Amino acid sequence: DVKVTQSSRYLVKRTGEKVFLECVQDMDHENMFWYRQDPGLGLRLIYFSYDVKMKEKGDIPEGYSVSREKKERFSLILESASTNQTSMYLCASSLSGRQGDPSNYGYTFGSGTRLTVV
Amino acid sequence: AQSVTQPDIHITVSEGASLELRCNYSYGATPYLFWYVQSPGQGLQLLLKYFSGDTLVQGIKGFEAEFKRSQSSFNLRKPSVHWSDAAEYFCAVGAAGGGNKLTFGTGTQLKVEL
Repeated sequence: DVKVTQSSRYLVKRTGEKVFLECVQDMDHENMFWYRQDPGLGLRLIYFSYDVKMKEKGDIPEGYSVSREKKERFSLILESASTNQTSMYLCASSLSGRQGDPSNYGYTFGSGTRLTVV
Repeated sequence: AQSVTQPDIHITVSEGASLELRCNYSYGATPYLFWYVQSPGQGLQLLLKYFSGDTLVQGIKGFEAEFKRSQSSFNLRKPSVHWSDAAEYFCAVGAAGGGNKLTFGTGTQLKVEL
């Protein structure tokens, strides 16, 4: 029944490393999102994608990039990890406006990846 | 730009007591509104959502929420809280089009006393 899968639950990386966080959904959703979650700050949008090879910056894109080569996969890349990127990262997907009834809107989330940069 | 305010950071209730979590939104048109719940170490699970029609919506786990346009609110309620309801709750607002991007509140942490 799992629909959005994040490849790692816990990850520890060193400062300066290039880090890849992977997300796969099996619901044929057009939209995919990456958020980071920090205590007291809620969820903040990093990047999102409306379609394959398309990406849009969210509210806090600095230090991150994304890749969407296939519809089901959306990768978040930390080009050079820093300690201030230690956080919980959440991937989500959703239907688009072209994919059906608005009553089906809303995100489906993965279980999250807790990243620690040391 | 749309925004969401959850004024209560922490709430503690006794098991069996009623619960109301507050959510206020800012959006120019009719919003799409959502409540999500997050158990420790987990992703977010959808509790309920409002798009149009009846302003009182029913969700999973016995939760309900009421959309009040005049107050720009979408408060979450439950008549009798169970210990398993202890979690963090997020309200979110979105709109049709634009990729259905949601804006989330900062969350309310619910503690249930036995």
